[in-house]
Amino acid sequence: AQSVTQPDIHITVSEGASLELRCNYSYGATPYLFWYVQSPGQGLQLLLKYFSGDTLVQGIKGFEAEFKRSQSSFNLRKPSVHWSDAAEYFCAVASDSGAGSYQLTFGKGTKLSVIP
Amino acid sequence: GAGVSQTPSNKVTEKGKYVELRCDPISGHTALYWYRQSLGQGPEFLIYFQGTGAADDSGLPNDRFFAVRPEGSVSTLKIQRTERGDSAVYLCASSLDTFGYEQYFGPGTRLTVT
Repeated sequence: AQSVTQPDIHITVSEGASLELRCNYSYGATPYLFWYVQSPGQGLQLLLKYFSGDTLVQGIKGFEAEFKRSQSSFNLRKPSVHWSDAAEYFCAVASDSGAGSYQLTFGKGTKLSVIP
Repeated sequence: GAGVSQTPSNKVTEKGKYVELRCDPISGHTALYWYRQSLGQGPEFLIYFQGTGAADDSGLPNDRFFAVRPEGSVSTLKIQRTERGDSAVYLCASSLDTFGYEQYFGPGTRLTVT
């Protein structure tokens, strides 16, 4: 069965510093990978996704992620964090149980705090 | 345009009661998903609709949970004989189709069972 691990429960960075959030997945086939952000009281918003092709994908709000098959990783990065980036971040993998659903399996999330 | 909406935003009920949670997907989206997010966890898949039919209900925890989407648009998640362990945020998502399409999430319904 597929699974997603986000090793860091909580990360604190200073505004302007770089950021890397880790994600490891377990999936037998070609993974379809996503990063979502959840702000308090808000729904989940898609930051970026990887389906195939270039392993470095660009997303919204200046985020990027790199797919590394050899490490089963899909880490999220941002070169300079803004205070508004404080939120919870979820990595997810899409899988199909055979019914064509491609439902998402999420990690437990990483909470990002930003120090002004 | 309008996003996915969910009502109510908060629901408090007593153990043993019946509850209904509603999801209004984005117009024209054929795929609809329900997820449940417990405190400190990521969302977990419950059920998937393609049109009016529940194509995959493998994530429903037991037979107290049921969902419908009678006209292929609005969906209702129904929970019978609620238990304290059902307390969570219930999220609905819709997408234009399945593979390759983004799932758009609603703000969720926070269910508290006392």
